Amino acid sequence: QKEVEQDPGPLSVPEGAIVSLNCTYSNSAFQYFMWYRQYSRKGPELLMYTYSSGNKEDGRFTAQVDKSSKYISLFIRDSQPSDSATYLCAMSGGTGFQKLVFGTGTRLLVSP
Amino acid sequence: DGGITQSPKYLFRKEGQNVTLSCEQNLNHDAMYWYRQDPGQGLRLIYYSQIVNDFQKGDIAEGYSVSREKKESFPLTVTSAQKNPTAFYLCASSNPREGTETQYFGPGTRLLVL
Repeated sequence: QKEVEQDPGPLSVPEGAIVSLNCTYSNSAFQYFMWYRQYSRKGPELLMYTYSSGNKEDGRFTAQVDKSSKYISLFIRDSQPSDSATYLCAMSGGTGFQKLVFGTGTRLLVSP
Repeated sequence: DGGITQSPKYLFRKEGQNVTLSCEQNLNHDAMYWYRQDPGQGLRLIYYSQIVNDFQKGDIAEGYSVSREKKESFPLTVTSAQKNPTAFYLCASSNPREGTETQYFGPGTRLLVL
């Protein structure tokens, strides 16, 4: 079983829809959670960073962490064609220097 | 304008050839990383360095080598021992002293075998 599981998609939605992207994880030591957006043939770009449980909002994006369920989500409101990309979750935790563990990414397609 | 640069954007390798991918950052970050990205497999860690003159193997280090002689630079060499080098290579950096574990990525280098 992978430490981080993420549905590869593709997830296809019409413009204006609310999008929900999710990851599950197995390591209860994880406490730092990130979402990256990656356009085709480009490097990942940090979208959201959350420490421990709770919600964080930034414009149309909301990141949610439920540590009791080992489940994190990224919500995109009023989705736009420019949101079409692959979204990677990443997480780390524990004492000392910790590497990031990435999900495989979910490909999102927003049609006009 | 702070960031991470990678060069070249595309690189072609002949059979038996070693090639070196460049990664430079001006973010004053202590830690740097190299990842390999293949379709459907996500990001896999090749090597990482927490500080100058020190580096550790990641999950798939075989066939690769690195050096960290300067804080700003972390070049990756793909050796002839790497039998399947075709992939998208990503360099990243972070500042562990910030305590956020957040990594910032460069634009990537696509390596193709001739």
